[in-house]
Amino acid sequence: GQQLNQSPQSMFIQEGEDVSMNCTSSSIFNTWLWYKQDPGEGPVLLIALYKAGELTSNGRLTAQFGITRKDSFLNISASIPSDVGIYFCAGQPPPGNEKLTFGTGTRLTIIP
Amino acid sequence: NAGVTQTPKFQVLKTGQSMTLQCAQDMNHEYMSWYRQDPGMGLRLIHYSVGAGITDQGEVPNGYNVSRSTTEDFPLRLLSAAPSQTSVYFCASSNSPGNGYTFGSGTRLTVV
Repeated sequence: GQQLNQSPQSMFIQEGEDVSMNCTSSSIFNTWLWYKQDPGEGPVLLIALYKAGELTSNGRLTAQFGITRKDSFLNISASIPSDVGIYFCAGQPPPGNEKLTFGTGTRLTIIP
Repeated sequence: NAGVTQTPKFQVLKTGQSMTLQCAQDMNHEYMSWYRQDPGMGLRLIHYSVGAGITDQGEVPNGYNVSRSTTEDFPLRLLSAAPSQTSVYFCASSNSPGNGYTFGSGTRLTVV
């Protein structure tokens, strides 16, 4: 199946720092999604992207759909303790395939 | 509105036992999926369904069966549990995969 390479695997930052993570694929996607998973819970959708080059924000979170349609980026500005968790990218391949492929996740830890 | 409900939350099985993981959604979503989450592997698709009576295999279907007799329910059956099936299982549903899936809170399964 298609592979989504997500990096970095983990991040250790201080509160207030900005965070950047990305997701790359060997094939193109029609839709990119970013999820966050809190401990003991299922993933929750943060941002959905539908067009190459699209830049979408949700509060302190900003995500971009890469021009090549093979990558996506998520930035978190001014991190706060509740940002701790695992962030997953997910892509839906054309032409409207029902399956979502998930990345391996980026674990964000905030150092006191 | 309950969303996606998974039962049980925790389960311990002996090798060779069978069991059914239950999943129900009350959002009238046509699309439902089962994922398993293992450390460093992200979320891998086991089976999915695009509507009542229609199911298909995902990335890692071996050892699992599904059926979709109603829109609301999508049970996952383990036929003969193996230690390799120790994982956290998530059920998810969507009205349109491009809009993202809503996840349940997961079932943590240990096979000894």
